[in-house]
Amino acid sequence: AQSVTQLDSHVSVSEGTPVLLRCNYSSSYSPSLFWYVQHPNKGLQLLLKYTSAATLVKGINGFEAEFKKSETSFHLTKPSAHMSDAAEYFCVVSEASYQLTFGKGTKLSVIP
Amino acid sequence: EAQVTQNPRYLITVTGKKLTVTCSQNMNHEYMSWYRQDPGLGLRQIYYSMNVEVTDKGDVPEGYKVSRKEKRNFPLILESPSPNQTSLYFCASSKLAGGPEYEQYFGPGTRLTVT
Repeated sequence: AQSVTQLDSHVSVSEGTPVLLRCNYSSSYSPSLFWYVQHPNKGLQLLLKYTSAATLVKGINGFEAEFKKSETSFHLTKPSAHMSDAAEYFCVVSEASYQLTFGKGTKLSVIP
Repeated sequence: EAQVTQNPRYLITVTGKKLTVTCSQNMNHEYMSWYRQDPGLGLRQIYYSMNVEVTDKGDVPEGYKVSRKEKRNFPLILESPSPNQTSLYFCASSKLAGGPEYEQYFGPGTRLTVT
């Protein structure tokens, strides 16, 4: 069975400083992994996805994530936070069943 | 514009009054799914459909029904809503060809309150 653990429910950073949102996963197969973002009162938007190609994945808005099989991690990073990055971020795992399993989310606050 | 639409966006109803939330996609996607989002729990899958007339339970199917009579539509039915079904609901769709790595496109959400 697949599962996802987002290690922080809330992260707060200052504008211009790096962002690190942590995600560990569990999967019996070679999973697909995703990060989605949800801005207040909005739907979900795909940030990036890992599908067994390059382990370092670049997404939209300057975000990237690195797949580390030995650590079963897929942490999301951004070198410099912007006010518009304030949102809730979800790490998601998918096996061959096409079913997505979502983490519980990490709320990112950006302090001016 | 490629999109997933849901209606209504907001709904307040009373316990036991049947309701339907519609979902439609214009991308010719085979796969469609319903999720509910609750604070601190992330999104949990209610039902999904791999194609017309093919549906299956997700993680939290109790109290919900779905149907997939047309490829573009995937309505969510609450036959007898209860207050514990108060939640934010999302419909999503994706291609099936090529495997599970295809991203799911999400609708804007339906906020349901059951009193």
